[in-house]
Amino acid sequence: DVKVTQSSRYLVKRTGEKVFLECVQDMDHENMFWYRQDPGLGLRLIYFSYDVKMKEKGDIPEGYSVSREKKERFSLILESASTNQTSMYLCASTGIRDLLSGNTIYFGEGSWLTVV
Amino acid sequence: AQSVTQPDIHITVSEGASLELRCNYSYGATPYLFWYVQSPGQGLQLLLKYFSGDTLVQGIKGFEAEFKRSQSSFNLRKPSVHWSDAAEYFCAVGGGTNFGNEKLTFGTGTRLTIIP
Repeated sequence: DVKVTQSSRYLVKRTGEKVFLECVQDMDHENMFWYRQDPGLGLRLIYFSYDVKMKEKGDIPEGYSVSREKKERFSLILESASTNQTSMYLCASTGIRDLLSGNTIYFGEGSWLTVV
Repeated sequence: AQSVTQPDIHITVSEGASLELRCNYSYGATPYLFWYVQSPGQGLQLLLKYFSGDTLVQGIKGFEAEFKRSQSSFNLRKPSVHWSDAAEYFCAVGGGTNFGNEKLTFGTGTRLTIIP
């Protein structure tokens, strides 16, 4: 089975702290994604990456950055956390052209981040 | 830009009754469409997907969905709901025409409540 692992399920951070959310996938997938999920807003794409060291902005990149130094790992960084970044963060991965060939995207279990 | 609209934020259905959840999409080419379900505290699970061919697709747990290009819709249906179907349901549109830009865009979700 494909496994997408998010290292932290629950985090509480203070305003202004730098926060790292880590995601690792074990299926050698090229594409990796970070979404945030908020009630009434669904899942919104923050950033995605289709190769090592490559990244693309999603729909809501402001206040976030990402790092992809190794194929299996995709990190989301909050440079200076703010209370409006309190949310559930979901990492996902998929193989190259998977979405075009009938396969789906695989999600991690999510990281609940509270910024106080 | 691709987008998804789920017009119903919350639906309540009696156990044993039929269900239809609405989804409308906007996409420039042939869309790839998905329905995901998220139970409380759980990750996202793929219910079904449409890529091409038969416009009526069958999924897991007795769900089906029909792709209607003329209406830009991909509504989810189930003939008889069970209490265990109470969850949040997300419609998503995805794809991409070029290498590396496949991504999924999600709707805001519909929360389903089942009453005895």
